[in-house]
Amino acid sequence: GESVGLHLPTLSVQEGDNSIINCAYSNSASDYFIWYKQESGKGPQFIIDIRSNMDKRQGQRVTVLLNKTVKHLSLQIAATQPGDSAVYFCAETGGRNDYKLSFGAGTTVTVRA
Amino acid sequence: SAVISQKPSRDICQRGTSLTIQCQVDSQVTMMFWYRQQPGQSLTLIATANQGSEATYESGFVIDKFPISRPNLTFSTLTVSNMSPEDSSIYLCSVRQGLSGELFFGEGSRLTVL
Repeated sequence: GESVGLHLPTLSVQEGDNSIINCAYSNSASDYFIWYKQESGKGPQFIIDIRSNMDKRQGQRVTVLLNKTVKHLSLQIAATQPGDSAVYFCAETGGRNDYKLSFGAGTTVTVRA
Repeated sequence: SAVISQKPSRDICQRGTSLTIQCQVDSQVTMMFWYRQQPGQSLTLIATANQGSEATYESGFVIDKFPISRPNLTFSTLTVSNMSPEDSSIYLCSVRQGLSGELFFGEGSRLTVL
């Protein structure tokens, strides 16, 4: 079946550096993508989203890039801080009228001081 | 964003018993969902909680095992029935507001079955 997945299960980054977290999806009908951050013992927290009619969206210190040609999604975090240490999940919906999210496996980001 | 409260936040239960998890939202929401997150894993959708009607279950999940109620637009419950150690997971309520598609999650209910 079609699914959403992440390239790397773990990422270690030096404080102050930029982080890039990658996600590949296989459903060409995917219409809407979200990045979530989950800290230990907490529920997933919405970071940023992007629709399929866009290829880039920026938030505060975060940028999401969408490449529909190769079905690739990435999350860039600028000037990574210790508080960015968490598990990051990408999620997608299967189509315009499908509001159920499918989640990738998650990438654990560890920020080194 | 919606504020979602789940109860209990954690519990330890005996095999064969059942536990009901509550999800309360501080505003009316169009859609409510229940997810499961097994230890060290990603999130899997259990079902969509429909207001005033039976929930819509995903493949692999059945009503007898995970009965769900949604009596109004701000509240839902998920029951984990006849529990076994394999049911040890975090159970998460999520809601969707309006047409934006943005989904918010509660803090989860961490269930350990002995």
